Amino acid sequence: QKEVEQDPGPLSVPEGAIVSLNCTYSNSAFQYFMWYRQYSRKGPELLMYTYSSGNKEDGRFTAQVDKSSKYISLFIRDSQPSDSATYLCAALYNQGGKLIFGQGTELSVKP
Amino acid sequence: ETGVTQTPRHLVMGMTNKKSLKCEQHLGHNAMYWYKQSAKKPLELMFVYNFKEQTENNSVPSRFSPECPNSSHLFLHLHTLQPEDSALYLCASSQGTSGGDEQFFGPGTRLTVL
Repeated sequence: QKEVEQDPGPLSVPEGAIVSLNCTYSNSAFQYFMWYRQYSRKGPELLMYTYSSGNKEDGRFTAQVDKSSKYISLFIRDSQPSDSATYLCAALYNQGGKLIFGQGTELSVKP
Repeated sequence: ETGVTQTPRHLVMGMTNKKSLKCEQHLGHNAMYWYKQSAKKPLELMFVYNFKEQTENNSVPSRFSPECPNSSHLFLHLHTLQPEDSALYLCASSQGTSGGDEQFFGPGTRLTVL
């Protein structure tokens, strides 16, 4: 079983739609949860990170972690064509810097 | 230069060649990382260095040999690679290796092994 599972998509939505991206994880020792965005031919960039359970909002983006069900979510409101990218969820232990990534979901937002 | 830079951006090599990838971070960080990103697979951690000391080797084959001469530079020496080693190799850096330390990624080196 992979430590972090993510549906690779691809996912295509019309501009203005609400996008929901999800991951599950298996190791209850993970303490930090991240969402990275990766544009074509670029390295990943951190979008959101959450410590333990809870919600975090930043503009059009909301990250949710439910540790009881081992579920990680990212919501994008009023999606824009510029949001078209691959979204990677990741989990991290408290120490050591060892990021465990999901496979990534390719998102396309059509004008 | 700002952030994390990687050279070369593209590399094509034969299985008998020896080449090196270079990473430099301009963020004053103490930790550096090598990741491998293959098509249709999750981004995979290879090595972690903290204050120039290797703290993680994720069961990487010995044909990949990392070197960290100082906290700003990280190299990945490649020799006798296999075609399945073709991938995007990403370097990252962070202030430390605690959970709250954001990892900043470079643009990657696209490696093709013939």
